[in-house]
Amino acid sequence: EAQVTQNPRYLITVTGKKLTVTCSQNMNHEYMSWYRQDPGLGLRQIYYSMNVEVTDKGDVPEGYKVSRKEKRNFPLILESPSPNQTSLYFCASSLRTSGNRGETQYFGPGTRLLVL
Amino acid sequence: AQSVTQPDIHITVSEGASLELRCNYSYGATPYLFWYVQSPGQGLQLLLKYFSGDTLVQGIKGFEAEFKRSQSSFNLRKPSVHWSDAAEYFCAVTLIYNQGGKLIFGQGTELSVKP
Repeated sequence: EAQVTQNPRYLITVTGKKLTVTCSQNMNHEYMSWYRQDPGLGLRQIYYSMNVEVTDKGDVPEGYKVSRKEKRNFPLILESPSPNQTSLYFCASSLRTSGNRGETQYFGPGTRLLVL
Repeated sequence: AQSVTQPDIHITVSEGASLELRCNYSYGATPYLFWYVQSPGQGLQLLLKYFSGDTLVQGIKGFEAEFKRSQSSFNLRKPSVHWSDAAEYFCAVTLIYNQGGKLIFGQGTELSVKP
């Protein structure tokens, strides 16, 4: 089954404790992206990757890191989490960027993070 | 600034009634337009999208949307709502040749369905 998977689905942590949220897709997509969803704000892009070893900042990258060493995986790293990073995080992928013929982005199930 | 607006934060309709969710965008040119649905505890699922051609777009689950360039709108409609349609709905846009590939989302509209 074609899908985007994220782990963990739920995570409670404390300020400053490094964490990684994994994202994997099995559709051989070039493009992957991370969003965070906050009430009243919709989803906002954190980082994106056009292909292996090609990553760039989205609208809200502060406090986050990413890497794209393999085509299928795009982990989101919080080196020193803070309470304002408490949010619902979504990973998404598409064959190419959405700006290319309106490619559909497929979303993972989300990771709910609470930073105390 | 470029933006997407969903004016209604929360809408309640009776089962079997018709539904229209509003979406307006602010861009200099016609973007690609999407509607996603998020059921409780789930990720986002694409309902439909528009990027050219017929301005009335059919999607999954009986939804349709109409692009109106003059009004910069892309409203989502369904003629008869089912209880399972209760969810949050997001309108999103992306720009042609957007190398960042990001979707720009509206704030979302939460739909409740009364029996």
